[in-house]
Amino acid sequence: DQQVKQNSPSLSVQEGRISILNCDYTNSMFDYFLWYKKYPAEGPTFLISISSIKDKNEDGRFTVFLNKSAKHLSLHIVPSQPGDSAVYFCAASAYTSGSRLTFGEGTQLTVNP
Amino acid sequence: DARVTQTPRHKVTEMGQEVTMRCQPILGHNTVFWYRQTMMQGLELLAYFRNRAPLDDSGMPKDRFSAEMPDATLATLKIQPSEPRDSAVYFCASGLRTGGEPYEQYFGPGTRLTVT
Repeated sequence: DQQVKQNSPSLSVQEGRISILNCDYTNSMFDYFLWYKKYPAEGPTFLISISSIKDKNEDGRFTVFLNKSAKHLSLHIVPSQPGDSAVYFCAASAYTSGSRLTFGEGTQLTVNP
Repeated sequence: DARVTQTPRHKVTEMGQEVTMRCQPILGHNTVFWYRQTMMQGLELLAYFRNRAPLDDSGMPKDRFSAEMPDATLATLKIQPSEPRDSAVYFCASGLRTGGEPYEQYFGPGTRLTVT
């Protein structure tokens, strides 16, 4: 039972354009959502998060949008840079489960110069 | 610059051998996680500890995997006996949970295990 799904295994965009990565979840108990970025041969690193009481959180070029009714969140990167090329993982947690994270499968983003 | 460290970074072993992976969480963090990344499953949670006590190990095959925290600076994940299907990258992560607030997890670089 995949509670967090990233349906696009890969995404390719041009430098300077917007990258939009999507994530869907099924567990209505999830109340905190995170995005992690992973480069090859490294561990995932925290990028940005959002609480379920918000619908948007912005940090520089990165914005996460949460649509609770659709159980959907997205990560927008504007403008995209070649250094953003990495695997992006969506993760979700629920207070009732001790804040353990459930991860999606990841999306490989490639930003072309 | 506080980081989670993991050793070894790479391990190649033969089926049936014991494998031990080690993790040093960030000093002061009270929660430690073990994850496995495979091509098919993405990042799976194997087990996690809070204040060195195991809270959940339901993601681990109990007959061959074991996780422990001998002290606050060391977490271990053992596989005995190892099988080819255990080949994956194993990540350790740590975080600081205070009260009920959400918190981020900080990941180590991973141990790439290959079982032949």
